[in-house]
Amino acid sequence: GQQLNQSPQSMFIQEGEDVSMNCTSSSIFNTWLWYKQDPGEGPVLLIALYKAGELTSNGRLTAQFGITRKDSFLNISASIPSDVGIYFCAGQLGAGNMLTFGGGTRLMVKP
Amino acid sequence: DAGVIQSPRHEVTEMGQEVTLRCKPISGHNSLFWYRQTMMRGLELLIYFNNNVPIDDSGMPEDRFSAKMPNASFSTLKIQPSEPRDSAVYFCASSPPGTGVNQPQHFGDGTRLSIL
Repeated sequence: GQQLNQSPQSMFIQEGEDVSMNCTSSSIFNTWLWYKQDPGEGPVLLIALYKAGELTSNGRLTAQFGITRKDSFLNISASIPSDVGIYFCAGQLGAGNMLTFGGGTRLMVKP
Repeated sequence: DAGVIQSPRHEVTEMGQEVTLRCKPISGHNSLFWYRQTMMRGLELLIYFNNNVPIDDSGMPEDRFSAKMPNASFSTLKIQPSEPRDSAVYFCASSPPGTGVNQPQHFGDGTRLSIL
């Protein structure tokens, strides 16, 4: 089946630094989603991307849907302590809305 | 607006017992998904429903697992008999009807299940 490779697995950065993480797939997706999960809670949708090449921002977050439809990246600018959590990418092919999740990137921010 | 509501938030029980997890999707959403999250395997889709009908249950690990959606506002995931390896966080998610684009899923806060 389809697999998503998400990297890096973890990051430990200084407050104020920019962050970049990405996902690659062995096959194409029609939608890319980025979620954040805080401890003890469910994943929360950050950004949804629907078109190849699309670049979308949500505050300090920017994500892009790769031209090949096999990859996506998420950037966080000027990180703050509340950015701490696990970030998941997810690909959606279309039929039935099934999601395939990446393994997650654990972000730690040092004040 | 109320999000996806799951109950219980935590469940601790002995192996061999029956476990029932409950989910109330967001009103108006017509797709419902059950996931399991573990450190080793990450987020795994177990089963999903569309308009209360199970569409794909290929992720359900064994016959000990069953899921139902008797109406648009309620679903259950049942494990009988439970085993220690079933310990995980179980998430329910729902999404609205599509309107030409794939609709994102919205997750509940999960049920943390521990089987002793």
